[in-house]
Amino acid sequence: DAGITQSPRHKVTETGTPVTLRCHQTENHRYMYWYRQDPGHGLRLIHYSYGVKDTDKGEVSDGYSVSRSKTEDFLLTLESATSSQTSVYFCAIRSDRENPYEQYFGPGTRLTVT
Amino acid sequence: AQSVSQHNHHVILSEAASLELGCNYSYGGTVNLFWYVQYPGQHLQLLLKYFSGDPLVKGIKGFEAEFIKSKFSFNLRKPSVQWSDTAEYFCAVNTGGGNKLTFGTGTQLKVEL
Repeated sequence: DAGITQSPRHKVTETGTPVTLRCHQTENHRYMYWYRQDPGHGLRLIHYSYGVKDTDKGEVSDGYSVSRSKTEDFLLTLESATSSQTSVYFCAIRSDRENPYEQYFGPGTRLTVT
Repeated sequence: AQSVSQHNHHVILSEAASLELGCNYSYGGTVNLFWYVQYPGQHLQLLLKYFSGDPLVKGIKGFEAEFIKSKFSFNLRKPSVQWSDTAEYFCAVNTGGGNKLTFGTGTQLKVEL
């Protein structure tokens, strides 16, 4: 357990509405990641952060934005949700102190866009 | 860009059977390799990892994997599976000491009693 929580854990929303998912960590790790998991696609990186206000795009960033105003929180926003964004979203952190490159995952958020 | 291939998408085994799941990556430089497991309804957990040294690495729950550089492979093995090994298994690669992991599409393993 790397002290990662995600909220909400489940959400159903309508097409066109904005949605924000939160990832919270308690160990002050520098790197945080957002993935989506879909059958047949594995995990795909949406965005990641390497420090407060420092973020970069992953392979499936279209339609998503992120913010990191403090070390412990990394927010993922769907500005206008679409049905194709129905997925399970996982947050991950990468330890700064040991086992470099290894990532630890949160419990996930199941998002359904109707 | 690097890619990771897991050719077995679904595997069904009987308890006590041996397991080997394939993982191939496309990158010619230094790699760090991982296998993660996701039990039903849970998040991903690290099963084992390879950074350097002995290419045969041992992980938790009796799993092991062998890094074969010439074949760009990192196959996962277990001599005797249990029903509790039913899960989805993901291979992941970090290339060149970068900040990201690239995941394969996963292999769904079902172990029958």
